[in-house]
Amino acid sequence: SQQGEEDPQALSIQEGENATMNCSYKTSINNLQWYRQNSGRGLVHLILIRSNEREKHSGRLRVTLDTSKKSSSLLITASRAADTASYFCATDPPSGTYKYIFGTGTRLKVLA
Amino acid sequence: NAGVTQTPKFQVLKTGQSMTLQCAQDMNHEYMSWYRQDPGMGLRLIHYSVGAGITDQGEVPNGYNVSRSTTEDFPLRLLSAAPSQTSVYFCASSWDRIEQYFGPGTRLTVT
Repeated sequence: SQQGEEDPQALSIQEGENATMNCSYKTSINNLQWYRQNSGRGLVHLILIRSNEREKHSGRLRVTLDTSKKSSSLLITASRAADTASYFCATDPPSGTYKYIFGTGTRLKVLA
Repeated sequence: NAGVTQTPKFQVLKTGQSMTLQCAQDMNHEYMSWYRQDPGMGLRLIHYSVGAGITDQGEVPNGYNVSRSTTEDFPLRLLSAAPSQTSVYFCASSWDRIEQYFGPGTRLTVT
């Protein structure tokens, strides 16, 4: 079963606008990660946020984590056409296994 | 440093045929995984390994076998292909059990 559910499923914005996508999960976690997947390619790791962190930044990316609501958001500021991709969250259940669970993804399209 | 490599890139099988999807990494990562990606389903974990000689099942292991005889290689075997196994398969590796490095994928069609 899917642990993470991204919202929205698809998002279309103009270049220069900000893009926000959300991830909800079901059980407690040690950390949450966001990955990007360009069409037809493998996933690329973007950023990790640990369960004791509330916010993290990396370049134009800002990730927040609300463990009380079991949700995370990824904000991409000043989007570019090259940001067009699918974005997935992944959670590691606290049992310490390597069984990462990925969400269903948000398809982002940035129009030039 | 090639990272994670997968072969073949594309494969068409007939129902009942068997085949092995190859995955190799040159980063000396202990942790490796196989996922399948279907439209609207995200990635689902098939099998994973925490080191040579150690494998375990993921979310959707039925119909697939794995082995890990070396740190570098983690092949995925389809025993008797079924149309439900039509998917894109990704192999990933990690050194810290956190950040995963993905291969480019194998697109498999079973007719």
